[in-house]
Amino acid sequence: DAGITQSPRYKITETGRQVTLMCHQTWSHSYMFWYRQDLGHGLRLIYYSAAADITDKGEVPDGYVVSRSKTENFPLTLESATRSQTSVYFCASSEAPTGELFFGEGSRLTVL
Amino acid sequence: GDSVTQMEGPVTLSEEAFLTINCTYTATGYPSLFWYVQYPGEGLQLLLKATKADDKGSNKGFEATYRKETTSFHLEKGSVQVSDSAVYFCALSSGGTSYGKLTFGQGTILTVHP
Repeated sequence: DAGITQSPRYKITETGRQVTLMCHQTWSHSYMFWYRQDLGHGLRLIYYSAAADITDKGEVPDGYVVSRSKTENFPLTLESATRSQTSVYFCASSEAPTGELFFGEGSRLTVL
Repeated sequence: GDSVTQMEGPVTLSEEAFLTINCTYTATGYPSLFWYVQYPGEGLQLLLKATKADDKGSNKGFEATYRKETTSFHLEKGSVQVSDSAVYFCALSSGGTSYGKLTFGQGTILTVHP
């Protein structure tokens, strides 16, 4: 089915471990985004991408790495997880830079 | 920088009550404004939008008017249903070279009781 899918949906890891959250969309949208959702903060932008091989930092990029070698995939890596990175992570995509985003169902990450 | 402020929640209403969720923003230029809704266990989905001053966005009985003079985009619904229980986010996009990035408010939890 067409859409945007995230994996894993739930992940528990330990401090210092590397974690990769996957995001795949089937629409061939040019724009993709990673947000984190924390109580009291709403959603904050981590990284975004305007096309394959074009990525840029958002509001809270420290401790995260992204890549986009193919249009449909936009993985987010936590190189050395910290407890402050416990959060729900949402991937989103859009066809044009209009602000009309399509969101995945989220990945809940717990760092112990 | 850009920012969005929503009224503090949570909001609890009885079915068929009138709903208002306040949203104000700070932005340079002429942003587009949005309301997104998040149902339990799901991602966000676009509820409505407005792209210029005095525009009214509407969908599923919800409405919001882009008020440039008061920098506001309040969400309203005349008669809420239990199925409207969700978290509502106000957001803006600055346009131009922003790539459609959204700046979100904190979110308002709405619970509607039968």
